[in-house]
Amino acid sequence: KAGVTQTPRYLIKTRGQQVTLSCSPISGHRSVSWYQQTPGQGLQFLFEYFSETQRNKGNFPGRFSGRQFSNSRSEMNVSTLELGDSALYLCASSLAGTGLSPLHFGNGTRLTVT
Amino acid sequence: AQSVTQLDSQVPVFEEAPVELRCNYSSSVSVYLFWYVQYPNQGLQLLLKYLSGSTLVKGINGFEAEFNKSQTSFHLRKPSVHISDTAEYFCALPFGNEKLTFGTGTRLTIIP
Repeated sequence: KAGVTQTPRYLIKTRGQQVTLSCSPISGHRSVSWYQQTPGQGLQFLFEYFSETQRNKGNFPGRFSGRQFSNSRSEMNVSTLELGDSALYLCASSLAGTGLSPLHFGNGTRLTVT
Repeated sequence: AQSVTQLDSQVPVFEEAPVELRCNYSSSVSVYLFWYVQYPNQGLQLLLKYLSGSTLVKGINGFEAEFNKSQTSFHLRKPSVHISDTAEYFCALPFGNEKLTFGTGTRLTIIP
């Protein structure tokens, strides 16, 4: 079974631009979560989608948004990029989408904002 | 509020020596705990989980953890580490029904 796939692996953007990151979950997994990982803040929850519905959202500004498609693939978008948005963005899928269901992570997209 | 605390940001250990990575939690509801590992340039993968039952939980790669309710701890242990164990280790606690709260991570460095 293929794992969680995130594309692209690396991105370099300029302040003020916007970016879209993609995540393909493990086949059969209906829940997709997004996390931001930085050296200073660690792993912070962005949002979680289950069957195309956003069920939970972390404490991030409205510039961060996401969506999930009917095939469970998910995208997240960051508009008006700031230097502080430089981070590793991790996507994780799970079967049941509860806090008890193990998360399967992709290798991440490393975003650098200059 | 629910939270996890990893007291050690970095732990250097000689190869074949034992290691313990510490995790303490705070929760007002039923406790479920996870340890994840992140190898360089990769995402996280599940090492082990405590949901209920035996307080000693065995995971992959020879790791185990013990749930201690009185000390609110879930420390990760391995009796003999290898170079391949070099990674960052995260303790995590479910928060609400759909997400995990992660600790700040412990970077394990194996010294040959």
